[in-house]
Amino acid sequence: GIQVEQSPPDLILQEGANSTLRCNFSDSVNNLQWFHQNPWGQLINLFYIPSGTKQNGRLSATTVATERYSLLYISSSQTTDSGVYFCAVELQAGTALIFGKGTTLSVSS
Amino acid sequence: SQTIHQWPATLVQPVGSPLSLECTVEGTSNPNLYWYRQAAGRGLQLLFYSVGIGQISSEVPQNLSASRPQDRQFILSSKKLLLSDSGFYLCAWRFSGNTIYFGEGSWLTVV
Repeated sequence: GIQVEQSPPDLILQEGANSTLRCNFSDSVNNLQWFHQNPWGQLINLFYIPSGTKQNGRLSATTVATERYSLLYISSSQTTDSGVYFCAVELQAGTALIFGKGTTLSVSS
Repeated sequence: SQTIHQWPATLVQPVGSPLSLECTVEGTSNPNLYWYRQAAGRGLQLLFYSVGIGQISSEVPQNLSASRPQDRQFILSSKKLLLSDSGFYLCAWRFSGNTIYFGEGSWLTVV
């Protein structure tokens, strides 16, 4: 099956710092999404981004489908950004998302 | 607007006991429904997904089963729980578009 690898596995930042999270996948995908899981376990969809670049406030994401990777950028990080960030991909429309193991982000004030 | 409800939120069950987790979606019809499991400190593992009533795809062989008795109801079951079944279980849905939405999850501890 498809492999989804995220790096780094853990990231510790001071408030205000910028960071880049990476997601590599082993096959062509129909769908790629980024999620944030807060400390209470709730998963929130950040971006649907099978290709191209999107921005939402301090967050932005870029997917280069031909090279099979996606990047999530967090600028001016805040303590509320802490949690686990997941990348998930779908091989064919209408199937299911396969998740990477996540990047655990800790932002301290 | 669409909402997803999942219960119970937390449960502690002895080894060998049965399990039933329920998920319902409101405000949409014929959604794709999913069950994921997250073990402590790990990513999300897809367990089952369903594209319609009575249609269940299983991704991982295990002692769990899923059923979809109604269009917007998805149930995860086990006849006899194992210690390794402990984890955080998440139900999710998707309809039009590609965004998937998750419920609040159920924390299961098997003792």
